Amino acid sequence: NAGVTQTPKFQVLKTGQSMTLQCAQDMNHNSMYWYRQDPGMGLRLIYYSASEGTTDKGEVPNGYNVSRLNKREFSLRLESAAPSQTSVYFCASRRDRGDGYTFGSGTRLTVV
Amino acid sequence: AQRVTQPEKLLSVFKGAPVELKCNYSYSGSPELFWYVQYSRQRLQLLLRHISRESIKGFTADLNKGETSFHLKKPFAQEEDSAMYYCALSSGNTGKLIFGQGTTLQVKP
Repeated sequence: NAGVTQTPKFQVLKTGQSMTLQCAQDMNHNSMYWYRQDPGMGLRLIYYSASEGTTDKGEVPNGYNVSRLNKREFSLRLESAAPSQTSVYFCASRRDRGDGYTFGSGTRLTVV
Repeated sequence: AQRVTQPEKLLSVFKGAPVELKCNYSYSGSPELFWYVQYSRQRLQLLLRHISRESIKGFTADLNKGETSFHLKKPFAQEEDSAMYYCALSSGNTGKLIFGQGTTLQVKP
């Protein structure tokens, strides 16, 4: 039982490059989330998917897009990376309200 | 506005001392509150949920609606408790979690 799997674990991009962060969960969870973690700012929600087929913006969606490909997978795309997007990105999922989140191990992204 | 505030960036205590990590929230409805822990460069792990009223690794947290607080407590800190701790509030029907800024707990030998 892998839980929430994120790939890649590390990535360095040049300004203007694009990339997709992958997230998959094998727990049959309904909701999935993308957060970024920055020092002194805690975790901020980028996008979320409350159920398969739906996606919504979170607190800091600018510069990102998402796809809920199926119930298992929720990807985050940076179309034109900027240095301000240097961060650690966490994917999470949960089954229902009242349940805690299960987090992935994170992707450490540096944009130069 | 829905908000979670953790007023301390860093809390440093000696092994065996009591620990209290503060969390205050702002929410108009009935809150669902959580504590998460992140050990060095690892994923976040759920530590406590207020609805379960359980004790995990010796930690407890009580929801005080009057003071809008959900402080995390442990009577005797251990070195292995050193980590980043996040308080989080579940928001509305979507279940989005709103996180505080986090408190680093440093337990000195």
